[in-house]
Parts: sequence; structure tokens; C-alpha cells
Amino acid sequence: AQSVAQPEDQVNVAEGNPLTVKCTYSVSGNPYLFWYVQYPNRGLQFLLKYITGDNLVKGSYGFEAEFNKSQTSFHLKKPSALVSDSALYFCAVRDGMIKAAGNKLTFGGGTRVLVKP
Amino acid sequence: EAGVAQSPRYKIIEKRQSVAFWCNPISGHATLYWYQQILGQGPKLLIQFQNNGVVDDSQLPKDRFSAERLKGVDSTLKIQPAKLEDSAVYLCASRAQGNTGELFFGEGSRLTVL
Repeated sequence: AQSVAQPEDQVNVAEGNPLTVKCTYSVSGNPYLFWYVQYPNRGLQFLLKYITGDNLVKGSYGFEAEFNKSQTSFHLKKPSALVSDSALYFCAVRDGMIKAAGNKLTFGGGTRVLVKP
Repeated sequence: EAGVAQSPRYKIIEKRQSVAFWCNPISGHATLYWYQQILGQGPKLLIQFQNNGVVDDSQLPKDRFSAERLKGVDSTLKIQPAKLEDSAVYLCASRAQGNTGELFFGEGSRLTVL
């Protein structure tokens, strides 16, 4: 079974400081990894994904994430946080070895990010 | 490009009543998902469709939940009878063909069961 852990319920950071949201995963085959953001009363919005290739992937709104196979981690980062980055962030994993039709996306419990002015 | 449409956005019912949610995915997206998101938790997959066939419904409480996607486009999720613990946001998502694509989510339908 595949799973995702986000060890921090909430991350507080001052505006302009670097932001890191942690994620570790467990999957049998090749991990396809995703980050989503959720603003209040809205659906989830895709930020970035890792499928293969360079371990550092860049996404929307200045976010990036680093895939670390040995640590089974996929931490989300932003060099300089904005107040508008305050939201709920979800990490998700899919098993790339399972054919597309039967391949489900499993989400972590989410991390609330609060960026203070 | 139009996004994933869901309705209603909000619904309040009493326990043992029934409710239905509707989803229209992005045009051409073969895969459709219903997720349940309880307050403070991550989304949990209820059911996954590939065109009009069910791929995964292992976490769907089939004694009270049902879903269909008859023509491979729109989908309906029904709860009958509702329980207090069904209070959650029901998210619909769709994905284009292929294994590596991301999911596109609707804004969700928030259900409150009193």
C-alpha cells in the first residue's frame, strides 16, 4: 500500500524568509510525486510534480521541490515566502509501476502554512 | 479551458436524508475521481472511473454511497441515508489520458449533516 506523511500540521514563517514543507512517502514501485495547494473554500490546485529526471523540480508561484530517493522525501520549498502563500499544502504519491487505469493518487494529511507580515 | 464543475457548493441535510452531488469534468478527460475531505484531513479517494467504468471503489461505503458515470462524462455521487460522519467536502477531480498527468479539482461540495 502507498502512503504519504506530512509530519507538521502547521508551519509558521515570516514574510521574506525561506519556506519548507516536509513530505515523506512510501510506494512499492516508482514514485510519481505531486504537491497541491488549497485556499479557503476552494478546490486543490496543482503546484508541481516529479515523474523522472532532475531531482529538483520547479513549479507554480516560485515553488520548487526536491526528490530524495534515499530518504523517500519530496519537500516543498520557496526561497522567499509571501503572505499570500498562506494556505493548506498537500503532498501526494502515485505508483508509477501500476498501469494508468488502476493507478490512484494518495494524499498526505496536509500542512497549514501561515506567513506573517 | 473550463475547469471541473461541481454542484451544489453547499448542502445542509438532516441525518437519514439523502443527497446527490454532480460533477462535470474537463472536456476529454477520461478519468474521474470522487474524494472525501473531512475537516483537517487530506482527501480520501472514494471512487475512480475510467470513462464509464469503475476502476477503484474499495473505499466507498457501498451500503450508503453510490456513484455513476453513465455516459463517460458527467458523474453523480449519492448518499442515502446520510450519517453525521458524512459531513465533509466532496471533491471531484479529472485527469487526461496517461499515467503522469496531474489531477484537476473542482471547488467541492460542502455537506453538513445535522
